[in-house]
Amino acid sequence: EAGVTQFPSHSVIEKGQTVTLRCDPISGHDNLYWYRRVMGKEIKFLLHFVKESKQDESGMPNNRFLAERTGGTYSTLKVQPAELEDSGVYFCASSLLPGQGSDEQYFGPGTRLTVT
Amino acid sequence: QKEVEQNSGPLSVPEGAIASLNCTYSDRGSQSFFWYRQYSGKSPELIMSIYSNGDKEDGRFTAQLNKASQYVSLLIRDSQPSDSATYLCAVIFLSSGSARQLTFGSGTQLTVLP
Repeated sequence: EAGVTQFPSHSVIEKGQTVTLRCDPISGHDNLYWYRRVMGKEIKFLLHFVKESKQDESGMPNNRFLAERTGGTYSTLKVQPAELEDSGVYFCASSLLPGQGSDEQYFGPGTRLTVT
Repeated sequence: QKEVEQNSGPLSVPEGAIASLNCTYSDRGSQSFFWYRQYSGKSPELIMSIYSNGDKEDGRFTAQLNKASQYVSLLIRDSQPSDSATYLCAVIFLSSGSARQLTFGSGTQLTVLP
């Protein structure tokens, strides 16, 4: 069974540019999460999808970040325009719906975003 | 304020010894607890989940949960150099509601010396 995949693995952009990160969850996982780790800090929650619906986006830092989940499958996270403080590693995780198993979340390899 | 606290280490143990990692959390009503292992430059890898008070064993790993004292620990028996990594404690707080997002500690860096 394929795990969570993310693309690209690394992105270097200039301040003011736009970047789109993609996440493909484990097949059959309806829950999809985005997290971020900035330098020296803990991994922090950004937002949560259940299928195609945003369940909680309380962790999104500001309106420069836009997440979508097309048809309840893959998800994209767009940063527009990027700022220096957006640099970090963006992780995607997926899990089954509660009641279908457990709360266990499985992480993708992450996208390292560097804004210069 | 939802918090997960870990001793950042570094923690060094000799090969073959037991490594003990500890974590405390702020929300007494929380019910889901996880340990992730993260190698440098890699993503968090789930190694243990625990939901009930007591011990849960999986191979060389044992997770221990004490909800009354609000701590969860991870024991690694017969530690190997390949266990050297950062271990992240993560909690789903009761107050997270239906989102059930993870709140992470800062991680404990473990080094197993050959």
